[in-house]
Amino acid sequence: DAKTTQPPSMDCAEGRAANLPCNHSTISGNEYVYWYRQIHSQGPQYIIHGLKNNETNEMASLIITEDRKSSTLILPHATLRDTAVYYCIVRVFDYGGSQGNLIFGKGTKLSVKP
Amino acid sequence: GAGVSQTPSNKVTEKGKYVELRCDPISGHTALYWYRQSLGQGPEFLIYFQGTGAADDSGLPNDRFFAVRPEGSVSTLKIQRTERGDSAVYLCASSLNSQGYTEAFFGQGTRLTVV
Repeated sequence: DAKTTQPPSMDCAEGRAANLPCNHSTISGNEYVYWYRQIHSQGPQYIIHGLKNNETNEMASLIITEDRKSSTLILPHATLRDTAVYYCIVRVFDYGGSQGNLIFGKGTKLSVKP
Repeated sequence: GAGVSQTPSNKVTEKGKYVELRCDPISGHTALYWYRQSLGQGPEFLIYFQGTGAADDSGLPNDRFFAVRPEGSVSTLKIQRTERGDSAVYLCASSLNSQGYTEAFFGQGTRLTVV
C-alpha cells in the first residue's frame, strides 16, 4: 500500500500557484519524498524529490515540514498544461546502488482552469 | 534523445491467448521497472530488474505473469492464458543505477485489451 495520503482532486486558476499537499506520517529516516505527475495518456514524469530540506528546480518547489510528516509541492505559476494527476511517493534511498521500486497511490488530480 | 520505448502501443487479444509486451529502456540504464495501470488508479508495481536479474518480483499477481531481461537491456513482459481482468495499460520505466538518486523515466505504455 502507498505510504502517502493526498486529496483526490484540486482546482487551480491559470497563472496562480498550485499547492499540492501530501501526508506521509509514517515516513522513515532513510526515505525520501518524490513527486511524479501523469498527464492524460502519458507515462508518469519525475518532478522533484527531497529528504528534509526544501528543494526547487525548474518545474516546482518542494516544501517538507520539519518533522517530515507532510510536504507540499508548489507549482508557482500553473498553466493549462500542468493539468495532470500528481503522485507523492516515499521511497528508500539506498547508497549501495540498489533502488527500491516506486509505490504509487491514487494521487491528486489537478485541474488548471483558465 | 531516445526515451523508453514500449511496443506495441496497443494490443487486443482474445481471452486465453498468450501475449508479449516489449520495453526498450534508455541506453545505459541498468534498472528497469514494469507497472500496470487500470483506469482511475495509480500505477501498480509488478517487477523490477537490476541488470539481468529480477531484484523484486513481488508485484507479479500470479504465475501467468513472467518477465525477462536476458541481456540487461530490452525486457519482455509475458502473460499466459490472458483474462479480461488483465486489461490495463502496462508501463515500463528505466533508471540509471549509480551512487546517488536517479529518476525513473517512463514509457508511454502498452494498452492491453483482453476480449
